[in-house]
Amino acid sequence: AQSVTQLGSHVSVSEGALVLLRCNYSSSVPPYLFWYVQYPNQGLQLLLKYTSAATLVKGINGFEAEFKKSETSFHLTKPSAHMSDAAEYFCAVSGGTSYGKLTFGQGTILTVHP
Amino acid sequence: DGGITQSPKYLFRKEGQNVTLSCEQNLNHDAMYWYRQDPGQGLRLIYYSQIVNDFQKGDIAEGYSVSREKKESFPLTVTSAQKNPTAFYLCASKGAPYSSGGVTDTQYFGPGTRLTVL
Repeated sequence: AQSVTQLGSHVSVSEGALVLLRCNYSSSVPPYLFWYVQYPNQGLQLLLKYTSAATLVKGINGFEAEFKKSETSFHLTKPSAHMSDAAEYFCAVSGGTSYGKLTFGQGTILTVHP
Repeated sequence: DGGITQSPKYLFRKEGQNVTLSCEQNLNHDAMYWYRQDPGQGLRLIYYSQIVNDFQKGDIAEGYSVSREKKESFPLTVTSAQKNPTAFYLCASKGAPYSSGGVTDTQYFGPGTRLTVL
């Protein structure tokens, strides 16, 4: 069984500040890990993913995430927040099965203040 | 442009009615998925299909039905048996599991359909 926990349903930062969104996972097999972003009333857009290559993964819009097996974490960071980063972010885990089922966290809403 | 389309964007249903949500993709993906999104609960898997004419129940299939007669299409029917159907529904597709390119486990999402029961 797999599960994902996102710590903090709401995160608020000032424009230009560091963004840190936390994700911890549980998986009985080597995981694939994903971060998606969702803007209001839209679908999900892939930010980045980890597939057992480099542990530091760079994604779109200046985001990156580091896979830490010992901590079962895959936290999402961005050095300097922009107003356009305001959205909901989802962490997800896949066990690499052929049907590729994704298990999602509850989501974290990021607010960026001027 | 390749992508996933969902229609309609907004859908209103009276209690007791069945409604069908459309999902079409031109990415030539084998696998397709339906998720339900409720505030604060993330996404939950309703049904998935790995190939044409085959589909499997996900975590919350009760009150829903699907078909997969064509590779491009994976419609979802919300039946009157679904007790609380008001939600945002998302369709996704994924490339063949053993294809090359390093993107085999990435799911790509459509824009969603918001269903409201009146």
